Amino acid sequence: QKEVEQNSGPLSVPEGAIASLNCTYSDRGSQSFFWYRQYSGKSPELIMSIYSNGDKEDGRFTAQLNKASQYVSLLIRDSQPSDSATYLCAVRFGGSYIPTFGRGTSLIVHP
Amino acid sequence: SAVISQKPSRDICQRGTSLTIQCQVDSQVTMMFWYRQQPGQSLTLIATANQGSEATYESGFVIDKFPISRPNLTFSTLTVSNMSPEDSSIYLCSATSGGSLAKNIQYFGAGTRLSVL
Repeated sequence: QKEVEQNSGPLSVPEGAIASLNCTYSDRGSQSFFWYRQYSGKSPELIMSIYSNGDKEDGRFTAQLNKASQYVSLLIRDSQPSDSATYLCAVRFGGSYIPTFGRGTSLIVHP
Repeated sequence: SAVISQKPSRDICQRGTSLTIQCQVDSQVTMMFWYRQQPGQSLTLIATANQGSEATYESGFVIDKFPISRPNLTFSTLTVSNMSPEDSSIYLCSATSGGSLAKNIQYFGAGTRLSVL
């Protein structure tokens, strides 16, 4: 069974802080990793994709991938109340077109 | 990227009836999918919509309950048949961009919020 695990939260951080969201996965052969943001009542939207070990930065967002430890994380710097949402981790396991989604972590950024 | 239009955005239906959800993509895409998302849960894949042939269903989902069509590369429908309150959920259409398998990005429609009474 290929699984993607996330802490459901909620994770509460003050405005301006760094929010750290974590995701672990079961298949060492996984190739592609994605972070989606989903506002309440809305559809998921892609924030970041990462394919190789290390860090990938895009604005206030940094994705970190460690394939040996089978985890991927998302850091949000200078968190804003508008970042309050559920963050879904998705992993495309080896040989599959279709990613497996985690249950998501609810993030609350309070002023 | 792909822009995905989905309708209706929401509906309230009576038990035993059927609802067809439409999904239109603004560009030709490789693959289209249908997901279900129940409150507080993650995305559950229902099926992959195949152009011109029967959809590929995931475990726990069957064609009689969720018939799917994809007559061309940019359009698909999902029907929720003989509905019961347990079918109340958000149904999401998704499509992948082109490119290599490893870097295929999935995009989502706005979803259809279904309530069955």
